[in-house]
Amino acid sequence: NAGVTQTPKFQVLKTGQSMTLQCAQDMNHNSMYWYRQDPGMGLRLIYYSASEGTTDKGEVPNGYNVSRLNKREFSLRLESAAPSQTSVYFCASSERGGWGETQYFGPGTRLLVL
Amino acid sequence: QKEVEQNSGPLSVPEGAIASLNCTYSDRGSQSFFWYRQYSGKSPELIMFIYSNGDKEDGRFTAQLNKASQYVSLLIRDSQPSDSATYLCAVKTSGGYNKLIFGAGTRLAVHP
Repeated sequence: NAGVTQTPKFQVLKTGQSMTLQCAQDMNHNSMYWYRQDPGMGLRLIYYSASEGTTDKGEVPNGYNVSRLNKREFSLRLESAAPSQTSVYFCASSERGGWGETQYFGPGTRLLVL
Repeated sequence: QKEVEQNSGPLSVPEGAIASLNCTYSDRGSQSFFWYRQYSGKSPELIMFIYSNGDKEDGRFTAQLNKASQYVSLLIRDSQPSDSATYLCAVKTSGGYNKLIFGAGTRLAVHP
């Protein structure tokens, strides 16, 4: 049982390049989330998916798009990377997304945009 | 803007002492409160959650919630060097889906 997995672990991009961050969970969870974490700041929600087939914006969605490919997989795409998107990106999942439910985090992707 | 505030630290305590970590939140309607631990370069992992006013104990950890004061804390008894990490407070605010608002975290350093 791997939990939440993310690929790649590290990535360096040049400004304007695009890339997709992959996330998968094997816990049969319905809800999935993408966060970014910057130094001195808490985790900030980019997008979330309450269930397969639905996605919604979080606090900081600008510059990102997401796809809930199926129940297991939730990808995050940067269409035209900017230095401000240098961050650590975490994917998380929870069983149903209900009141007070625990979120489980993947190992993170460190992204540097030059 | 719903906010969660934590002192960034570092909070330095000797081994064996009690570490006290504090968190305040702005949304009076918040219902659920979580403490995550994050080691350097790793992902957050859940330590405890609390829903009701009062104390909740789990081993060496005690979470305390005071909704009237909009205050939640985490006590770590018999602190160990392995407890050295950043502790993130997260709050599920009122309304909407299971979206958590995270504080910036408090860095705890336990020295032998």
